[in-house]
Amino acid sequence: EPEVTQTPSHQVTQMGQEVILRCVPISNHLYFYWYRQILGQKVEFLVSFYNNEISEKSEIFDDQFSVERPDGSNFTLKIRSTKLEDSAMYFCASSSTGREKSQYFGPGTRLLVL
Amino acid sequence: AQRVTQPEKLLSVFKGAPVELKCNYSYSGSPELFWYVQYSRQRLQLLLRHISRESIKGFTADLNKGETSFHLKKPFAQEEDSAMYYCALQGAQKLVFGQGTRLTINP
Repeated sequence: EPEVTQTPSHQVTQMGQEVILRCVPISNHLYFYWYRQILGQKVEFLVSFYNNEISEKSEIFDDQFSVERPDGSNFTLKIRSTKLEDSAMYFCASSSTGREKSQYFGPGTRLLVL
Repeated sequence: AQRVTQPEKLLSVFKGAPVELKCNYSYSGSPELFWYVQYSRQRLQLLLRHISRESIKGFTADLNKGETSFHLKKPFAQEEDSAMYYCALQGAQKLVFGQGTRLTINP
């Protein structure tokens, strides 16, 4: 059964550094998402992406964040200048169409900003 | 505003006992509701979606629009059901999650 994959599984970075989190969605899926979960808190939506553009974003997704689909398979989340409060588990998800709304999640990247 | 409430952070039941994990939602439109499960150190996995009305691993959930609830139930708990359970609501695209309930099944 196809799965969403994410790399790296863990990332440690210094405050102010740029990080890129990578995701490979399920191959025939068209909608892509990023969520994050700060330790002890609920899973929060960051952004959705369809047809090579952002379709929805949350208040969390400010100018420090960007997403990209650089090729036919990868979907990336970039944080330009990391802050301590960006430390969290970041989940990528994908779904096939707008009607088939079930989202399938990757294993997550645990980001620690020091 | 979309909101999902799971009132129990922790739930502990004995093996063979019935399980009910509560979920209430707030949404002005027609919601689509899901239950996700996260076993230890694994990814979030889709367990149920209300539109399919199916039973997965013995779990069922019924959407009650009058009570704005989508409780997850299983008649006889098994030890392998121990996990974190998240209720989620989808309006347009994004999923809004509840806080999650950690279910522990005692032998």
